[in-house]
Amino acid sequence: EPEVTQTPSHQVTQMGQEVILRCVPISNHLYFYWYRQILGQKVEFLVSFYNNEISEKSEIFDDQFSVERPDGSNFTLKIRSTKLEDSAMYFCATFSVLVSYEQYFGPGTRLTVT
Amino acid sequence: RKEVEQDPGPFNVPEGATVAFNCTYSNSASQSFFWYRQDCRKEPKLLMSVYSSGNEDGRFTAQLNRASQYISLLIRDSKLSDSATYLCVVNIIYGGSQGNLIFGKGTKLSVKP
Repeated sequence: EPEVTQTPSHQVTQMGQEVILRCVPISNHLYFYWYRQILGQKVEFLVSFYNNEISEKSEIFDDQFSVERPDGSNFTLKIRSTKLEDSAMYFCATFSVLVSYEQYFGPGTRLTVT
Repeated sequence: RKEVEQDPGPFNVPEGATVAFNCTYSNSASQSFFWYRQDCRKEPKLLMSVYSSGNEDGRFTAQLNRASQYISLLIRDSKLSDSATYLCVVNIIYGGSQGNLIFGKGTKLSVKP
């Protein structure tokens, strides 16, 4: 069964450093999302991406965040200058509206900012 | 007002029990509805979509009441492997976008032998 993959599984970084989280979507999926989940809290929407541009973003997704699909397969989330409160699990999700609105999640990247 | 509300639990039940989860949502623009399960420190996994007519998948039955903005999940004959957090999720579509998922905080289920 096709699945969403994410790398790295765990990233530790110092405050102020840039991080890039990577996702490989399911091959025929066209809609891509990033969500985050702070430990013990609910999953929160960050940004959606379709046709090489952002469709929608939440208030969490400020100027420190950016997304791109640099090579037609990977989908990346960049945090320019990490803060302690960016520590969370970051999940990539994808779906194909040709099939359904069901979103499938990758295993996540655990980001720890020290 | 929270967009998706669930009883946080935990629900501690014996194997074989029937357990029901309830969820309410506040945004009437919500268009699609789902139950996901999440194991500790893992990604949410889709359990089932929820339709207005109600739908069943094996031991799992989901119901949607749009008028009351209420979603339910019933698990019959619960197994040890059902232990997880169950997430009520709605998809809200704005304008021409495909929407995004709004999650409840989840209800923790623990099935004991």
